[in-house]
Amino acid sequence: IAGITQAPTSQILAAGRRMTLRCTQDMRHNAMYWYRQDLGLGLRLIHYSNTAGTTGKGEVPDGYSVSRANTDDFPLTLASAVPSQTSVYFCASSDGQGNEAFFGQGTRLTVV
Amino acid sequence: SQQGEEDPQALSIQEGENATMNCSYKTSINNLQWYRQNSGRGLVHLILIRSNEREKHSGRLRVTLDTSKKSSSLLITASRAADTASYFCATFRSGNTPLVFGKGTRLSVIA
Repeated sequence: IAGITQAPTSQILAAGRRMTLRCTQDMRHNAMYWYRQDLGLGLRLIHYSNTAGTTGKGEVPDGYSVSRANTDDFPLTLASAVPSQTSVYFCASSDGQGNEAFFGQGTRLTVV
Repeated sequence: SQQGEEDPQALSIQEGENATMNCSYKTSINNLQWYRQNSGRGLVHLILIRSNEREKHSGRLRVTLDTSKKSSSLLITASRAADTASYFCATFRSGNTPLVFGKGTRLSVIA
């Protein structure tokens, strides 16, 4: 039983490069989320999806895009990375009914 | 902006003492949840309290919710060194709205 899996675990990326963070869940959850975590700022919502085929913007969506082609996968793309996108990124999923969310182990991204 | 704000930002206590963390939020909610995060790991769900509930228990955890004050508290009784972690509250409003987290409280339990 995997739950929710993120890849890669960590990455060092040159500024200006494109990067896709992967997230896969095997719980058939409708809702999926991407958060970034920065020291002192807690978890901030980047984008979310309530069901396959739909996405929504969170608190800090600029510079990021997502897609939800199917139930299991919710990739996050940085089209042209900037140093301010250095952060730890967490993917999460839930049933979409307001019940508990399950988190991946996170991706530590450093943009230099 | 973030929905929940935890207080205090950091808390240090001795093993065996109780730890209390507070969360304030801004809008009406359907439920409020507390999560724990060990250093460098993903968040793990602890407990959920619905808007029509005032208190809930789970093991050494006690959560209260005051919707009139838009606040919640998490009490960990008889704390252990293993309780050292960051604790976050998260609110769910309704329908298709996403779960929104606060900034968290860092708890250190000293053996």
